[in-house]
Amino acid sequence: GAVVSQHPSWVICKSGTSVKIECRSLDFQATTMFWYRQFPKQSLMLMATSNEGSKATYEQGVEKDKFLINHASLTLSTLTVTSAHPEDSSFYICSARDQGQGIDEAFFGQGTRLTVV
Amino acid sequence: GNSVTQMEGPVTLSEEAFLTINCTYTATGYPSLFWYVQYPGEGLQLLLKATKADDKGSNKGFEATYRKETTSFHLEKGSVQVSDSAVYFCALKSAGTASKLTFGTGTRLQVTL
Repeated sequence: GAVVSQHPSWVICKSGTSVKIECRSLDFQATTMFWYRQFPKQSLMLMATSNEGSKATYEQGVEKDKFLINHASLTLSTLTVTSAHPEDSSFYICSARDQGQGIDEAFFGQGTRLTVV
Repeated sequence: GNSVTQMEGPVTLSEEAFLTINCTYTATGYPSLFWYVQYPGEGLQLLLKATKADDKGSNKGFEATYRKETTSFHLEKGSVQVSDSAVYFCALKSAGTASKLTFGTGTRLQVTL
């Protein structure tokens, strides 16, 4: 299957700083990428849908000014957690939609564990 | 709105035991249903899917049947292996939602020798 690479796998940052997480589709182009957040023992919660060349669509209750999403190319979307606080500590997962060659499937990155201290 | 409910884990089984992980859903219309697996340190991988009622998805010995009458998509495997130890997520996608997936909470499976 297609490969989606997410970086970094884990990051520890101080309160008040910003952290950028990258999501890359390595062998296909993705006009649409998704960002999820997962709390311990809970399901993946969709945060936003990232569309190449346009503004991201955020789910209800997700602060767009706090979670900045940029999808500047067909293979890269970034999520920046601004002014991070301990409550932002979580597992963040991206997925990229592959619509090439008659398929329509979402492929996932390996996730990023963010710890804010 | 859409929701997915799956059994809480962890599920601990001996190798070659029979596996069932229950999954039920609530959705409008006719969603597509999926099982994803997440091995330690890796991203989610699509395990199998079914797009309409009575379809059976199967892969790597796992199978699940789309039961509209019971709104269920239970995952089964006849004989698990240690290498099947992972977290399994049930998910659905409603038609026309541009691949937006709604996930269950995940069920951790631990298979021992």
